Amino acid sequence: DVKVTQSSRYLVKRTGEKVFLECVQDMDHENMFWYRQDPGLGLRLIYFSYDVKMKEKGDIPEGYSVSREKKERFSLILESASTNQTSMYLCASGPPGAGKTQYFGPGTRLLVL
Amino acid sequence: QKEVEQDPGPLSVPEGAIVSLNCTYSNSAFQYFMWYRQYSRKGPELLMYTYSSGNKEDGRFTAQVDKSSKYISLFIRDSQPSDSATYLCAPQGVSNYQLIWGAGTKLIIKP
Repeated sequence: DVKVTQSSRYLVKRTGEKVFLECVQDMDHENMFWYRQDPGLGLRLIYFSYDVKMKEKGDIPEGYSVSREKKERFSLILESASTNQTSMYLCASGPPGAGKTQYFGPGTRLLVL
Repeated sequence: QKEVEQDPGPLSVPEGAIVSLNCTYSNSAFQYFMWYRQYSRKGPELLMYTYSSGNKEDGRFTAQVDKSSKYISLFIRDSQPSDSATYLCAPQGVSNYQLIWGAGTKLIIKP
């Protein structure tokens, strides 16, 4: 079974703090993704990576950065957390190509006070 | 206009009913269409997917795509309380194979 793990299920941070969210997958997938999910807005892509040290901006990259130093690990960084970044963050991984799916972690629910 | 439109619901039906969940999309180039199920406080998981137009059946679930009208459907027969979840449709993008997500429909099956 594919396993995608995220470092925390729940996180509470203060405005202005630097926040690190870590994601690890065990299936040697080339692609990894970070999404945020908010009620009524669905899944919105923040960043994705198609190889080590490679990244591309998604639909809402502002206020976020990412790091992929190893194939199995993809980190999301909130440089200076703000209250509008309170959300559910979901990491996914998957092989490249047509018809290939994405496998999701359990999510991190982040509250920024 | 969003690339994928999906009614967020909630849709509440009695146990045993046939459920119909639907999406519309705007890009005629989409070829693969995924359905994900997401239980409360969990990540989405792939339920099934179809390629191009037609039907695909898996147990109580049937996915249907009508490319001429850009309409995607998921049917659930003999619905169970355990089917209560949010269902997300996600056509696959053409240029970089990303998934284009609908907002998800919350489904509630009442015992």
